[in-house]
Amino acid sequence: DIQMTQSPSSLSASVGDRVTITCRASQRIDSHLNWYQQKPGKAPRLLIDTAFSLQGGVPSRFIVSGSGTYFTLTISSLQPEDFATYYCQQSYSTPWTFGQGTEVEIK
Amino acid sequence: QVQLQESGPGLVKPSETLSLSCTVSGASITTYYWSWIRQSPGKGLEWIGYVYFRGNTNYNPSLKSRVTMSVDTSKSQFSLRLSSVTAADTAVYYCARNSGGGTYYVEFDYWGRGTLVTVSS
Repeated sequence: DIQMTQSPSSLSASVGDRVTITCRASQRIDSHLNWYQQKPGKAPRLLIDTAFSLQGGVPSRFIVSGSGTYFTLTISSLQPEDFATYYCQQSYSTPWTFGQGTEVEIK
Repeated sequence: QVQLQESGPGLVKPSETLSLSCTVSGASITTYYWSWIRQSPGKGLEWIGYVYFRGNTNYNPSLKSRVTMSVDTSKSQFSLRLSSVTAADTAVYYCARNSGGGTYYVEFDYWGRGTLVTVSS
C-alpha cells in the first residue's frame, strides 16, 4: 500500500494568514492526488482533484502544487469557513489511501 | 442534485455481519462505480472497496476476506457486508461516488452523510 503522510497534524492560525499543508507519498504517484476538507460531523468534501482542478464553489485561495512524492495545499488567506480538517488521498493505485489529516484551528 | 444516503443498524455484535445500504438519487447507479469508505479515530479514513452494477468489485486487501459488495439497480442502491466484525470495525461508514476514471485515478466527488456503526455486545 502507498502510505500518505501529512504534516503538520494540526496548526493554529488567524484569519488572513497563509497556511501550507504538506502531503508525502511513500512512492511516486505522479500527480494523482486529491484534497478533501472535512468539518465536524460532516462527510469529507472534495476540494481539488488529481488534475489540480478546484471543484465547483471552491475559492481560488486554495492552491495546490507538487508531483511525484511531495505535495502541498496552501490557503493564501485563511477565512473563517476554512477552519476544518484537510486530507490528501492518492488515486495512483488501489488500495486508495488517505493521509491522517491536518486540523486547521483558530488561533 | 446527486445525493447518497446510508442506512443500516447502528449496533452490531462482535463476530456478526455488518450490513449497510446506500441509496443513490440524482445520478444513474449504472453509470458510475461506487465506493465504501470508513472513518475511525484510530485509523482515519480507510477505503473499503468499490462496486459496479455489473458485479465488478475491488476490495482493500486488508478487508478483502470479510467484505462483499453488491448493487441493486431496481432500488438504486448498493450495499456493503462486512463479516466477523470486532470492535476495530467501529467507525463512521460512508458511501461515495467514484469520479475520475471510475476504477483508476479516482476522486470521491459525492459522499453520503455517514452512519456510525458500533460493534459491541
